[in-house]
Amino acid sequence: GAVVSQHPSWVICKSGTSVKIECRSLDFQATTMFWYRQFPKQSLMLMATSNEGSKATYEQGVEKDKFLINHASLTLSTLTVTSAHPEDSSFYICSARRTGGTGGEQYFGPGTRLTVT
Amino acid sequence: AQKVTQAQTEISVVEKEDVTLDCVYETRDTTYYLFWYKQPPSGELVFLIRRNSFDEQNEISGRYSWNFQKSTSSFNFTITASQVVDSAVYFCALRKGGSEKLVFGKGTKLTVNP
Repeated sequence: GAVVSQHPSWVICKSGTSVKIECRSLDFQATTMFWYRQFPKQSLMLMATSNEGSKATYEQGVEKDKFLINHASLTLSTLTVTSAHPEDSSFYICSARRTGGTGGEQYFGPGTRLTVT
Repeated sequence: AQKVTQAQTEISVVEKEDVTLDCVYETRDTTYYLFWYKQPPSGELVFLIRRNSFDEQNEISGRYSWNFQKSTSSFNFTITASQVVDSAVYFCALRKGGSEKLVFGKGTKLTVNP
């Protein structure tokens, strides 16, 4: 299989604090991981592409200083929402592409629901 | 630029009815991939199918079938004899060849009533 986990599955934090979300590929190595954001009843919007051992590539309009991404190993990428505000409340989903795989299959994690109060 | 349009925002059917979810895409690339994902209320995206642009064969998997037509740039998804467990949001997505980026449609929320 190709299982991707996220931790935590949900988090509530106070405005101004930082929150770290982990994305792990459990049974495969992932050179590339992706972070998406989904607002209620809306589609998934790609925030950034995370490459192991190098800086993440952010999509236009995404603040790299606010959404810090670290891809320190072939099985782990983290997204840190710094100085969170209520407007950052959203469902964050990561996906991982298997290293050496063909067709570019992305396997999605279960998502993390962030609520900033 | 790539674009995926799912014109049906919400569909409601009664169990055992057949239902088709529409997906129209735009791309200038000759090599591309099309996907369907299911997102149940739990939130996790479930991969359903991938087709590449050179394979227009329709595919059937159990109660699911997909109709890929390049002439109309459509990749429609049909559920036969729908069941309550099919209730979810379904996303169609497009990725151009050589790119990692998935472009999603806005999704169609399917509700299957008993």
